[in-house]
Amino acid sequence: AQSVTQPDIHITVSEGASLELRCNYSYGATPYLFWYVQSPGQGLQLLLKYFSGDTLVQGIKGFEAEFKRSQSSFNLRKPSVHWSDAAEYFCAVGSYNTDKLIFGTGTRLQVFP
Amino acid sequence: DAGVTQSPTHLIKTRGQQVTLRCSPKSGHDTVSWYQQALGQGPQFIFQYYEEEERQRGNFPDRFSGHQFPNYSSELNVNALLLGDSALYLCASSLETSGRTTDTQYFGPGTRLTVL
Repeated sequence: AQSVTQPDIHITVSEGASLELRCNYSYGATPYLFWYVQSPGQGLQLLLKYFSGDTLVQGIKGFEAEFKRSQSSFNLRKPSVHWSDAAEYFCAVGSYNTDKLIFGTGTRLQVFP
Repeated sequence: DAGVTQSPTHLIKTRGQQVTLRCSPKSGHDTVSWYQQALGQGPQFIFQYYEEEERQRGNFPDRFSGHQFPNYSSELNVNALLLGDSALYLCASSLETSGRTTDTQYFGPGTRLTVL
């Protein structure tokens, strides 16, 4: 079955600390992978995406993610978190032969000053 | 450049009623997808419209239907509302490229539907 797992429901970090949000997927076809961020009351904003090529992708707001096929993972990282990064983060998977995205249940990030 | 817009922002209905939600895609986009996001969950794919036709559908009953207009805007209709239909409904737009490709989807702010 196709699925996305985000093992961490809630993560708390101090401002300036590094961050890694985990994402594992189960998908039969070659995956297209995405990270979206959702602030309270807002829609989803695309942070970055991976379709093919270099497995380390750079996104907006200083985020990056690394695709590891052997581990079926696409973890999101940021070297230094800002208070404005507090939000809900969603990992999603799609493919070239489907129109839908499958989302994980999200990780809520809280940032302490 | 206007992004994806949705209306209304909030909506309250009672069980058994019908509701229509509206979406205008990002300028230049021709494909619209609808997602349901229940509280504390990730979005779930309802269906996608391209060239005014439903192209793919998720695991949702026939009570959920949609339409796409020639200007690419779209409506989501839900009949016989149930309490479980309470959720944030997200619209996403994208540009069709080389067949059924999952291109980057850009999301609107959503419509919060509450069913009492």
